[in-house]
Amino acid sequence: LAKTTQPISMDSYEGQEVNITCSHNNIATNDYITWYQQFPSQGPRFIIQGYKTKVTNEVASLFIPADRKSSTLSLPRVSLSDTAVYYCLVGEGGGADGLTFGKGTHLIIQP
Amino acid sequence: EPEVTQTPSHQVTQMGQEVILRCVPISNHLYFYWYRQILGQKVEFLVSFYNNEISEKSEIFDDQFSVERPDGSNFTLKIRSTKLEDSAMYFCASSEVQSPLHFGNGTRLTVT
Repeated sequence: LAKTTQPISMDSYEGQEVNITCSHNNIATNDYITWYQQFPSQGPRFIIQGYKTKVTNEVASLFIPADRKSSTLSLPRVSLSDTAVYYCLVGEGGGADGLTFGKGTHLIIQP
Repeated sequence: EPEVTQTPSHQVTQMGQEVILRCVPISNHLYFYWYRQILGQKVEFLVSFYNNEISEKSEIFDDQFSVERPDGSNFTLKIRSTKLEDSAMYFCASSEVQSPLHFGNGTRLTVT
């Protein structure tokens, strides 16, 4: 399974756009890139998944360069409720292999 | 939106006792998982389950652990003889093939 590296923590302010970058130099051809959000005492919640280029949904965008060795989660106009831990995972998605969670990025949004 | 549901939300047990944690995965999902998270630490994979058998398990999932799908809707994790270090949040998840995992909100297990 490809290892991921992401910042341990980030700070931002309400209304700002936040970009969290994840490195995954050893990503395999069949791997997808998936981001999860976790609040204290809750299970991880799926945010977005992509394979290449750009993916956008109602909560976030995911930018993946051509070499796929990194990805950037973009959260537009964050609010206090976006304070959480964000995990970048690389793998074949649902299937026999259990996803490996790293330590994630603790995002703190201030007023 | 369909959800993965877990019961109980909090379980307290004494060391050496058996516990069964229960999960109802999303109905059309085919893959089922258990993860755990010790307080302040990262989410750790325990086991994946497909077609009524274990697909993959981690080093954590030793002989004290077992999983079962006793009927068409439930997915259980049994810890045969709990230890203090088994205290953690246990998360169940389910997915379709090559699709994101959907997690429940966990069972907090406290072993005293």
